[in-house]
Amino acid sequence: DADVTQTPRNRITKTGKRIMLECSQTKGHDRMYWYRQDPGLGLRLIYYSFDVKDINKGEISDGYSVSRQAQAKFSLSLESAIPNQTALYFCATSDRVNYGYTFGSGTRLTVV
Amino acid sequence: AQKITQTQPGMFVQEKEAVTLDCTYDTSDPSYGLFWYKQPSSGEMIFLIYQGSYDQQNATEGRYSLNFQKARKSANLVISASQLGDSAMYFCAMWGDMRFGAGTRLTVKP
Repeated sequence: DADVTQTPRNRITKTGKRIMLECSQTKGHDRMYWYRQDPGLGLRLIYYSFDVKDINKGEISDGYSVSRQAQAKFSLSLESAIPNQTALYFCATSDRVNYGYTFGSGTRLTVV
Repeated sequence: AQKITQTQPGMFVQEKEAVTLDCTYDTSDPSYGLFWYKQPSSGEMIFLIYQGSYDQQNATEGRYSLNFQKARKSANLVISASQLGDSAMYFCAMWGDMRFGAGTRLTVKP
């Protein structure tokens, strides 16, 4: 099994629908992150969490919300999806000691 | 805010030659780290190499090395002896800042 698992892998949804992207990890890392990737823009941080009771906005949090249900689970919600939220979404984890992020395989979201 | 800049949207290199991918950064923190990740067409993010600001020597990992010039705030990735499988997107990122550069698409020509 992958260290960081994202579900679903692909999703097509309609404008205005609520959608949740889920992330779970077996790394035992404290820190979890949600990024979105758009062509030419690299990865941009949506939200991050340094522990279960800690949630922080990233540079592009508008239109998104998150929930850290447990140390191992961090989900991203789009309350009312819009077409410009079409992107590749990555969940990542890290710990306090070792440098570097462990990424999930990504969720390709299309909003029509 | 801290910033990561990759100025090369696309690069081409001949197989077996070396290539340098540029990354500059802006930070006022004395302690920081820089990463490079590879993203092949399959989409996954693969960690390549890490350089800490206090590391005395430039980082190397196999065919990957970092040309770290602290005074210039640059951390360029050097890939030696390019292979066809090196064709991918490459991202530079700063530890602690959680920001990534826009990426460089490398194409290795046979």
